[in-house]
Amino acid sequence: KNEVEQSPQNLTAQEGEFITINCSYSVGISALHWLQQHPGGGIVSLFMLSSGKKKHGRLIATINIQEKHSSLHITASHPRDSAVYICAVTGAGSYQLTFGKGTKLSVIP
Amino acid sequence: EPEVTQTPSHQVTQMGQEVILRCVPISNHLYFYWYRQILGQKVEFLVSFYNNEISEKSEIFDDQFSVERPDGSNFTLKIRSTKLEDSAMYFCASSGDGGATGELFFGEGSRLTVL
Repeated sequence: KNEVEQSPQNLTAQEGEFITINCSYSVGISALHWLQQHPGGGIVSLFMLSSGKKKHGRLIATINIQEKHSSLHITASHPRDSAVYICAVTGAGSYQLTFGKGTKLSVIP
Repeated sequence: EPEVTQTPSHQVTQMGQEVILRCVPISNHLYFYWYRQILGQKVEFLVSFYNNEISEKSEIFDDQFSVERPDGSNFTLKIRSTKLEDSAMYFCASSGDGGATGELFFGEGSRLTVL
C-alpha cells in the first residue's frame, strides 16, 4: 500500500513569495496528481504527472520517479492561492487514488 | 466549461436510513469515481466504475455501499443503512479515456450528516 507524505502541513507566506510544497510516496506509481481544495470544500485538479515537469500559469509541478518525490511550486504567490494543496497517487495497474493529508497554504497580503 | 455536478449539496439523515447521492459526470467521460472525506481527515477512495461495472473498490466500500449508472448520465452512490461514521463529504469525479492516468474532474461534493 502506498504511503503519501506531504510537507509542510501548514504554510504561511507573504504575497509575492515563492512557495514549494513537497510530496513523497513509498511505492512506484503510474500517475501523481496535485489537487487544490478550496475553503468551501470543492476540489480542483491542478496537474497530473507521470514524469518530468508541467507548468500552468504561476504553478509548476515536477516529479522525480527514481526518488519517488514531487514538488509543487507557486511563483509570485497571491492571497487567492490560499487553499489546501493535496498530492495523490495512482498505483501501477490501479484506479485507486491514495491521498496525502494536504498542505494548508495561507498567503497574507 | 463542462463540469461534474452533485446533488444534494447537503443531506441530513437519521441513522439506519438509506441515502442516495447523485452525480452527473462530464458527458463524454468513461471513468467514474466516488471519494469521501471525513471532517478534518484526508480524502479516501471508495470506488471506481467503468463500462457499467465496478473496476476497483476500497476496504471502506462494504456491502452497505452500492453504485449505479441507471440512465447513462447519472452516477449514484447508495448507502443502505447509514451509520454515524458515514458522516462525511462525498465527492464524485470523472475522467476521460486516460482512466487512472487521466485528468480528474471533481464535483463540489455532497455533505452527509448522520444523526
